[in-house]
Amino acid sequence: GNSVTQMEGPVTLSEEAFLTINCTYTATGYPSLFWYVQYPGEGLQLLLKATKADDKGSNKGFEATYRKETTSFHLEKGSVQVSDSAVYFCALSVVSGSARQLTFGSGTQLTVLP
Amino acid sequence: DTEVTQTPKHLVMGMTNKKSLKCEQHMGHRAMYWYKQKAKKPPELMFVYSYEKLSINESVPSRFSPECPNSSLLNLHLHALQPEDSALYLCASSLGGAEGNTIYFGEGSWLTVV
Repeated sequence: GNSVTQMEGPVTLSEEAFLTINCTYTATGYPSLFWYVQYPGEGLQLLLKATKADDKGSNKGFEATYRKETTSFHLEKGSVQVSDSAVYFCALSVVSGSARQLTFGSGTQLTVLP
Repeated sequence: DTEVTQTPKHLVMGMTNKKSLKCEQHMGHRAMYWYKQKAKKPPELMFVYSYEKLSINESVPSRFSPECPNSSLLNLHLHALQPEDSALYLCASSLGGAEGNTIYFGEGSWLTVV
């Protein structure tokens, strides 16, 4: 089956620190990989995605590279801001019939202090 | 435009009430999803509609009844819920089939059962 293993939180950083949240996956076939972000009291927003090996997804200063050889999709940001405080979910999706099956990691709570 | 709209944003209902959650998208997506999310956990899949037909029901209790009136709308009818059903209910959509590997989420409906 498919699974996503995500770095346990919570993670607390000071503003302008470097962020890495580790994510590894197990999947049959060729999954697409995603990072979703959930701000307090809100739904899930797509942060970035990568659809094939060596693709780099990027958005709002966040980056992640699809590494097939290490089955990883680690999220990085060079300088975090207080507004980045949220829960981050790594996920993979594969085709399932005529829809998509999305498998989530457990989520990582990030708190950025001023 | 990657918008999935959910109403109401907040709902409080008694255990004998009947209510509905509504979801709408105008992206031409043909797959629509209901997820349930408890605090500090990843979303759990409940139902998938593909081309307006129910394709996945993840063993959800019958007190939850999904409906897909057309390709843009998805409802979740609620009846005789229990307090443990209190959660964030997320609607999502994707293009459908092997196309469009991205699932887009709405802001969610916060449900409290009293």
